[in-house]
Amino acid sequence: DTAVSQTPKYLVTQMGNDKSIKCEQNLGHDTMYWYKQDSKKFLKIMFSYNNKELIINETVPNRFSPKSPDKAHLNLHINSLELGDSAVYFCASSQAQVYEAFFGQGTRLTVV
Amino acid sequence: QQPVQSPQAVILREGEDAVINCSSSKALYSVHWYRQKHGEAPVFLMILLKGGEQKGHEKISASFNEKKQQSSLYLTASQLSYSGTYFCGITGNQFYFGTGTSLTVIP
Repeated sequence: DTAVSQTPKYLVTQMGNDKSIKCEQNLGHDTMYWYKQDSKKFLKIMFSYNNKELIINETVPNRFSPKSPDKAHLNLHINSLELGDSAVYFCASSQAQVYEAFFGQGTRLTVV
Repeated sequence: QQPVQSPQAVILREGEDAVINCSSSKALYSVHWYRQKHGEAPVFLMILLKGGEQKGHEKISASFNEKKQQSSLYLTASQLSYSGTYFCGITGNQFYFGTGTSLTVIP
């Protein structure tokens, strides 16, 4: 069983569209994260959720919104996609912030 | 806020040693180290929770100097499988990954 799974693995879409990336973890962890990795490989934290409460919200555009229907899921919604949103997005989970994080396989988003 | 790693890139021959440094401008409570191979997700290597703590993982070990707000990752007798990008991650009031170090081991 995959510990952290995110779908889709690849996403190609046009500018202006709205898209979602889903993430699920079966580890029973309390904290889930979304990271953006750009072409220079920088891993930037976007959001984290702890027991359905948003506890980190970096200065990302409000076109990005996390949605957590329950502790095991943290989906990422992106409105009005822009070229600069093209990147690899990783979902991750951990028992708490100080513990090991487990990552999903990543979603390569390409905006054309 | 993002910790700075050095060097940015390093090329080693099999069997050589390397040190990767991670420096933060903020106080550190813990340091994580991850390795990411090309096209894959980052994978956890180790975590250091106390200042001065050193931990080992096979031939990869790390130290954490809380006073200097630094951590170093030591790779000894490198193997081809060590190739990848190494990230430190720090926890303070938030969690941030470092700028990354690309390490390539050649035969």
